[in-house]
Formats: sequence, structure tokens, C-alpha cells
Amino acid sequence: DIVMTQSPDSLAVSLGERATINCKSSQSVLYNSNNKNYIAWYQQKPGQPPKLLIYWASIRESGVPDRFSGSGSGTDFTLTISTLQAEDVAVYYCQQYYATSTWTFGQGTKVEIK
Amino acid sequence: QVQLVESGGGVVQPGGSLRLSCAASGFTFSSFDMHWVRQAPGKGLEWVAFIRSDESNKYYADSVKGRFTISRDNSKNTLDLQMNSLRTEDTAVYYCAKRKIECTTPDYWGQGTPVIVSS
Repeated sequence: DIVMTQSPDSLAVSLGERATINCKSSQSVLYNSNNKNYIAWYQQKPGQPPKLLIYWASIRESGVPDRFSGSGSGTDFTLTISTLQAEDVAVYYCQQYYATSTWTFGQGTKVEIK
Repeated sequence: QVQLVESGGGVVQPGGSLRLSCAASGFTFSSFDMHWVRQAPGKGLEWVAFIRSDESNKYYADSVKGRFTISRDNSKNTLDLQMNSLRTEDTAVYYCAKRKIECTTPDYWGQGTPVIVSS
């Protein structure tokens, strides 16, 4: 199975500052035939289900603010919140959907206000 | 708008069974593959099972293989998860989720139903 490892486990960022979350997959999730990285990012606030933010590693889901961006390729990926807002306090998960019959999440990164 | 409403959760003893259901509306249910994902208390997300729109393929996490069965009724717009031989480590909130058109990752999620396995 593809293992997804996020870093850090938690981070505290001042309002208006940048937050960066890393995600590493145990094998490449880049599908050469279409040059797409099979990675998604989710945001989960307390007591709520996850919300899809990013898919194909860098495509923002409809309605997601443009302060959220995804980057990376192969095995290393990043979710960036360019200017942290109070409503961005949440746990963020990366997920791979490269494997045909399993979908795996990272362990999550908790983002708090400094 | 897309709505997914899970039901059937509750308290069950180890070794027992439970059947979860997910009622879907706001989209053409029969056209979309579906997932079950769970989250243990205070823990991260764990994918559980996946079913194709026509039930042609079903996939399971190793942790539930042989014990859980995913199924659907496209005439009733419902997704089910039959859980047998439950263990304490199956305690979690169980979410049903619809796959995105462009890729198999989930886009819309229900609010979840809690399952507690305890003696």
C-alpha cells in the first residue's frame, strides 16, 4: 500500500502569515500517461466532515478561496495557505488515489493560530 | 444540492454486527461510485470501502476485508455497509462519500454516523 506521511503534525501560524504543509508518498503518484499527480487535500474542522480543497495535486475545488494552493509532483507535495485566516484553523489531510483499489490518507496536520 | 445522510450507527458488543445506510439525493446516484471512510475518536481518516456505480467492483481496506460488505441499491438511492465480527478498533464515525466526476477521490461527504464497539 502507498503510505502518506505529512509534516509537521501541527503548526501554529500568525494571522495573515503563510502556512505550509508537506506530504510525502511512499511511491510516486504521478501517472505518466496523463502527467497527473493523484493527490487530494482535505480540510476538516471540529465536528464536521472533511471538505475537499485540492485535487490533481494543484486544482482548487470550486468555491475554495485562492489563498489555498497545492504543488508538487511524484512523491513530494505541499499545501500552502498564503495568508492564514481565523476560519482556516482545522486539520488538513493529504490523500492518494493513484492505487487502483486503495485510497490512503496522511495522518493529518493541525493548523492553529499563533 | 448533494445530500448524503448516514444512519444505523450505535453501540454493539465485540463480535456483533451492524448495518449502516446512506441515503443519497441531489445527484444521479446510479452514475457515481461511492466510498465509506471512518474516523476513530481523536484520530485521522481511514478509507474503508469503495463500490462502483454498477457494483462491478468492490474494494476494501485490509483492516475490514472479510468482515465488512459494501452494497448499494440504485433504485432506492442508498448505499449500505454491513459490518460483521466487529472489534473495539472499529469504533469510529463512519462517513459515506461520493466520488468526484474527474477522479475517484471523494468530493461530497455525509455528516457521519457513530459506531461504538464495546462490552
